[in-house]
Amino acid sequence: QKEVEQDPGPLSVPEGAIVSLNCTYSNSAFQYFMWYRQYSRKGPELLMYTYSSGNKEDGRFTAQVDKSSKYISLFIRDSQPSDSATYLCAPRGSNYKLTFGKGTLLTVNP
Amino acid sequence: DADVTQTPRNRITKTGKRIMLECSQTKGHDRMYWYRQDPGLGLQLIYYSFDVKDINKGEISDGYSVSRQAQAKFSLSLESAIPNQTALYFCATSDSSRDEQFFGPGTRLTVL
Repeated sequence: QKEVEQDPGPLSVPEGAIVSLNCTYSNSAFQYFMWYRQYSRKGPELLMYTYSSGNKEDGRFTAQVDKSSKYISLFIRDSQPSDSATYLCAPRGSNYKLTFGKGTLLTVNP
Repeated sequence: DADVTQTPRNRITKTGKRIMLECSQTKGHDRMYWYRQDPGLGLQLIYYSFDVKDINKGEISDGYSVSRQAQAKFSLSLESAIPNQTALYFCATSDSSRDEQFFGPGTRLTVL
């Protein structure tokens, strides 16, 4: 089993939809949970991150971590065509090394 | 100007050739990383460096070597390129006091 599992999609939704992106992980040592967004032909950029379990909200984006079930989620409300990108979950432990999921390709259709 | 730059942006080479990919940063970060991205496999860590005298292997270091010439420069070398090293390569930097890694624009490498 890989340390981080992420459904690669692709996921296609209409503009305005609520999007749910998810990852599972197996390493109990992971403490920080990052979400990166990668536009086509660009490097990844940090979107959000949370520490330990709980929710964190930033505008239309909410990151959620459930350490008991080792489940990571990113919710996008009122999705926009500009949200079309690949979303990568990337948990890490105390050693500062990120372990990336494969990424989910999201397309938001106008 | 970009904070993390990579050169070249695209490179086509032949099997057996030596290739060097370069990364420079103006962010003043002490930590630098090299990743490889393949379709369907996500980002995999090749090497990382927490300061000029600290070099560490990542998940997939075989066939690669690195050099940290200065705090701002981190080079990745393929001593004898092979076709399965065809991929998108990213350099990233981070500060020891923060969690965020900042990525460069990537180098698309094709080995024929």
